[in-house]
Amino acid sequence: QALVTQEPSLTVSPGGTVTLTCASSTGPVTSGHRPFWYQQKPGQAPRTLIYDTNNRHSWTPDRFSASLLGGKAALTLSGAEPEDEAEYYCLLLCRGPWVFGGGTKLTVL
Amino acid sequence: VRLEESGGGLVQPGGSLRLSCEGSGFSFSNFWMNWVRQAPGEGLEWVANIKNDGSEINYGDSVKGRFTISRDNARNSVYLHMNTLRAEDSALYYCYCAAGGVLDVWGQGTMVTVSS
Repeated sequence: QALVTQEPSLTVSPGGTVTLTCASSTGPVTSGHRPFWYQQKPGQAPRTLIYDTNNRHSWTPDRFSASLLGGKAALTLSGAEPEDEAEYYCLLLCRGPWVFGGGTKLTVL
Repeated sequence: VRLEESGGGLVQPGGSLRLSCEGSGFSFSNFWMNWVRQAPGEGLEWVANIKNDGSEINYGDSVKGRFTISRDNARNSVYLHMNTLRAEDSALYYCYCAAGGVLDVWGQGTMVTVSS
């Protein structure tokens, strides 16, 4: 089973831009992994922000975008707001098993 | 559109438990279903999934051989049979359906505590 790695923590200023990344131990992340991105706030169930690499759901704010960048999946937040402070997880659909990253704690400060 | 888990509780190490998840508001029989867990203060861990007709099943390495996922489309339900439970299986267990832009829904979770 692959190991999926994310930055443990990042900080962004209100109104600023930050990119979170998601890497696989088995090699480059590709569109074949169909990367998902989730946001989770304390005491809440996760909320899916992005599916299939770069597709936003209807409830996903436009300030979130996603892509493949340098062999990793990437989630970019442009124009951070205080309510974006949360834990963010990526998910890769590997052959058979799915694998979550360890999560990135994003602080807006 | 909703998923509701049940069946969690306190169980002794080595014991068994069956979790249930009932879907409503969507065509349950059309979609893969997943179980995802989260230990207290820890990250998300994918546990298992099952194809809409039950013909394909996958498990995470940490539960393979101990947990069994099944479904009953007539009851709009998916189950997780957990055997030989360990302390490290203690977690909030979520039911999750992800179908791209068509459907994406999480349950609120059911808590499993493995302790003597």
